[in-house]
Amino acid sequence: EAQVTQNPRYLITVTGKKLTVTCSQNMNHEYMSWYRQDPGLGLRQIYYSMNVEVTDKGDVPEGYKVSRKEKRNFPLILESPSPNQTSLYFCASNVRQGAYEQYFGPGTRLTVT
Amino acid sequence: AQSVSQHNHHVILSEAASLELGCNYSYGGTVNLFWYVQYPGQHLQLLLKYFSGDPLVKGIKGFEAEFIKSKFSFNLRKPSVQWSDTAEYFCAVNAASGTYKYIFGTGTRLKVLA
Repeated sequence: EAQVTQNPRYLITVTGKKLTVTCSQNMNHEYMSWYRQDPGLGLRQIYYSMNVEVTDKGDVPEGYKVSRKEKRNFPLILESPSPNQTSLYFCASNVRQGAYEQYFGPGTRLTVT
Repeated sequence: AQSVSQHNHHVILSEAASLELGCNYSYGGTVNLFWYVQYPGQHLQLLLKYFSGDPLVKGIKGFEAEFIKSKFSFNLRKPSVQWSDTAEYFCAVNAASGTYKYIFGTGTRLKVLA
């Protein structure tokens, strides 16, 4: 089944404790993205990747890191999480940049205390 | 600056009523336009998209949208809503070439009363 998976689905952590949210897709898609969803703000793109080893900043990259060492995986790293990073995070992938459907993962709800 | 505006934040309709959700964008150059839907507790799914050709595009579940270039708009419509259309709807845009960013609107929460 074609899908985007994220782990963990729920995470409660404390300020400053490094964490990684994994994202994996099995569709051989070139383009992958990370978004955060906050009430009243919609989805905001954090980082995106056009292909292996090619990444760039979205609109809200501060406090996040990403890597794309393999085509299928695109982990999101929070080196020193802060409470303002409490949010619902979605990973997405599509065939390539352009008028293609993005396939979204199920979301990761992160709480930073 | 690139942006997408959805002016209706919350909409409540009775079943069988007609729906129109507004979407305006500010984005230089040629764009691709999308509407996504998020049902309660689920992830986003594509409803429809426009990239070229006929400005009236039809999507899944009876939804359609019209691209009006002169107004920078891409409004979503459905002639008769159902209770199962209760969801949050997002308009999104990306450039047809150049930057690879996606910009989403803030979303419209639709509640359909049975």
